[in-house]
Parts: sequence; structure tokens; C-alpha cells
Amino acid sequence: AQSVTQPDIHITVSEGASLELRCNYSYGATPYLFWYVQSPGQGLQLLLKYFSGDTLVQGIKGFEAEFKRSQSSFNLRKPSVHWSDAAEYFCAVDGSNYGQNFVFGPGTRLSVLP
Amino acid sequence: EPEVTQTPSHQVTQMGQEVILRCVPISNHLYFYWYRQILGQKVEFLVSFYNNEISEKSEIFDDQFSVERPDGSNFTLKIRSTKLEDSAMYFCASSAANYGYTFGSGTRLTVV
Repeated sequence: AQSVTQPDIHITVSEGASLELRCNYSYGATPYLFWYVQSPGQGLQLLLKYFSGDTLVQGIKGFEAEFKRSQSSFNLRKPSVHWSDAAEYFCAVDGSNYGQNFVFGPGTRLSVLP
Repeated sequence: EPEVTQTPSHQVTQMGQEVILRCVPISNHLYFYWYRQILGQKVEFLVSFYNNEISEKSEIFDDQFSVERPDGSNFTLKIRSTKLEDSAMYFCASSAANYGYTFGSGTRLTVV
């Protein structure tokens, strides 16, 4: 069965520092890949998605993610974090093209120090 | 870009009451889903729906839950007799055939 792992439960960075959130997936082939952000008590906001093509994907709020097939990874990055980026981040996999469902990772909570 | 719309954004209900969560999927999508997220936990699959019937459901989706597409635009999740542990954020999603889910912004259900 497909699975998504986010090795870091909680990450703390200083404002202005760079950020990388890790995501690995287990799949028989390349699924569609997503990153969502969720502020406390709020819904899911799509940051970016990868379907095919260029492996470096640009998203909203200055985020980008890179798909690495050899590592089954889809890590999220931001060069300079803002205090408003503090939230929960979910990596997700859409296997609907293989008859599988959409699966979320467990999430990484990002805290930002002033 | 087309959106999946969920109403209400927040609902408070008393334990034992029935609640209906509403979703308007993207108009040309054929596959519909409900997911749930208990506070502080991961987002979990509840049910998928296609061609007017449930195509898959998780162990969470017991007899207290039902889904319906009452007309051409709405997709609803009904909880027959709510329990405290049903308090969660409920997300609706829709997709075209084998391609890309779109999620709504969620309904926060609080059972008191």
C-alpha cells in the first residue's frame, strides 16, 4: 500500500533562515505529489503540486519543492522564512491514476522564532 | 481556478444529534471524497463516491455515516447520531477521472 512519511514532527527555525521540510513516499510508480499548509483551526491550503515535467515546482508564498525520483522524495523549501509561515505542513500523494486514494503524510509542525 | 466549496465552515452540535455537512464539488468532476482530521492528527480517508454509489470506505466510516449526492451539484456527509469523538475537521474533495484531487477548505465540527 502507498505511504507518505514526513520524518520531522516538529521543526523550529529563526525568521529569515532557510527551510527544508522532508517528504518521502512509497509507491510502485510516480504519483502526483502535493504540499498543503494548515494554520491552527483552519482548512488546507494548497502550496504546490507536481504532476510531471520540471522536477522543481514553484508554489505560492515563496515555496518550492523538488521531486527526486531516485530518492522517492518531494522536499519543500523556502529560502527565507517569515513568522507567518508558522503552521502545519502536509505532504500528500495522489495515486488515483493507479486506482489508489489520496494519502496524507503525518505532518510537520513549523515554529518560527523572532 | 475552480474550487470545492464546503458549508458551513464551523458547526456546533449536541451529542446524539444528526448533522449534515455539505459540499459543492467542481462541476465536471465525477469522483467525490470525504476526509477527516481530528485535532492534532493526520488527515484520514473516510469514503469515496462514484456513479452514485460508495466505491471505497475506511473502517472509520461505520453505520453512523452516510453520503449522498441529492442533486447534480451537492455532495453531503451525514452523521446520524454524533459522538464527542466525531469532533474534527471534515474535508470534501473531488477529482476528474484518474487525475488530481481538489480539496475544500473544510468544515470544523464540534460536538458538545
